[in-house]
Amino acid sequence: NAGVTQTPKFQVLKTGQSMTLQCAQDMNHEYMSWYRQDPGMGLRLIHYSVGAGITDQGEVPNGYNVSRSTTEDFPLRLLSAAPSQTSVYFCASRTGTGGADTQYFGPGTRLTVL
Amino acid sequence: AQSVTQLDSQVPVFEEAPVELRCNYSSSVSVYLFWYVQYPNQGLQLLLKYLSGSTLVKGINGFEAEFNKSQTSFHLRKPSVHISDTAEYFCAVSDPGSARQLTFGSGTQLTVLP
Repeated sequence: NAGVTQTPKFQVLKTGQSMTLQCAQDMNHEYMSWYRQDPGMGLRLIHYSVGAGITDQGEVPNGYNVSRSTTEDFPLRLLSAAPSQTSVYFCASRTGTGGADTQYFGPGTRLTVL
Repeated sequence: AQSVTQLDSQVPVFEEAPVELRCNYSSSVSVYLFWYVQYPNQGLQLLLKYLSGSTLVKGINGFEAEFNKSQTSFHLRKPSVHISDTAEYFCAVSDPGSARQLTFGSGTQLTVLP
């Protein structure tokens, strides 16, 4: 049981490049989400999904796309990277859609956009 | 929209001393409250959570938190800290009626000094 896994761990992009951050979980969780972490700002929700085929925007969705074709995978796409997207990205999952469930976080992807 | 305020961005404390990390939230309705910990270069993991019932919640690693509805606070405490408690601590709130994920505070860096 690997929990929540993320790849890559580190990435450097040039402005305008695109890339996909991968996230997978093996706990059969319905709910998955992406956060970005910036110094002094805590974690901010980018996008989330309540199940395969269903996604919705969070607090800071601009510049990011997501899709959820399977329960296990929830990739995050940067279509045209900008320096403002330099951050640490965390994927998380939880069992249900209610607010009481514990979230399980991946180890993070540290992204630098030059 | 809910918000979470962590009043101290950094808290240095000597080993074996007690510590309190403060958290206030803004909500006029029932909420779920959480404390997560992030060790260096790792993802977040749950310390404890308050859903209902007793206002004193005990978590892992000897931490506890007290829910105070009248003061809309959820402060985290430990009577005697260890070097290994050095980490960043995040308070978070979720709305039981919403499918959206957690709203996090900006974090408190706890540094335990020898």
